[in-house]
Amino acid sequence: SQQGEEDPQALSIQEGENATMNCSYKTSINNLQWYRQNSGRGLVHLILIRSNEREKHSGRLRVTLDTSKKSSSLLITASRAADTASYFCATAPFSISNFGNEKLTFGTGTRLTIIP
Amino acid sequence: GAGVSQSPSNKVTEKGKDVELRCDPISGHTALYWYRQSLGQGLEFLIYFQGNSAPDKSGLPSDRFSAERTGGSVSTLTIQRTQQEDSAVYLCASSSTWTGGAEETQYFGPGTRLLVL
Repeated sequence: SQQGEEDPQALSIQEGENATMNCSYKTSINNLQWYRQNSGRGLVHLILIRSNEREKHSGRLRVTLDTSKKSSSLLITASRAADTASYFCATAPFSISNFGNEKLTFGTGTRLTIIP
Repeated sequence: GAGVSQSPSNKVTEKGKDVELRCDPISGHTALYWYRQSLGQGLEFLIYFQGNSAPDKSGLPSDRFSAERTGGSVSTLTIQRTQQEDSAVYLCASSSTWTGGAEETQYFGPGTRLLVL
């Protein structure tokens, strides 16, 4: 089964509004990452948050992580039509050796549509 | 150099045929990953190469799937005796050497869309 599960599966909002997507996972992690995918092709890395971090910002993106609830949220503020895409969370499993990002486990994604 | 490249972009094959998918990682990246994405689904990990270490093949769905990485750079994913359920987008990613606690971003290629008829 998928480690990460995004919620909602699909989201449509008006341009300019904020979009919030959630991700839940099951096992301990080293870090959690959010990726974006356009048109079913390659993924683009958006932001990484480590297990000892609670919040991180990058431009219009804000990510939170609650390890006690095993959940994360991605907030996109002031959405634009160009933000229309699928968004995936991915978890890097907890490892004592801390070998980077091997075997990221992806969720099934949230399909975000921004209505102009 | 430029980003991760994959070829072919699209591949249509008949059930039972073998296919080879190619991935050229970013120059200097020591880690290379293969994922599979079925329609409307998330990514499924297949295999991971890190430097000269033995690859982690734990995600390969059957013995019809194999991958190799020559010279620590280009990788080929081979699917033998293809089945219709193999139809998916196959994505390759690479990342640079782990530098002692720093998580490394994975850079994805555009994928190969495989259709098995």
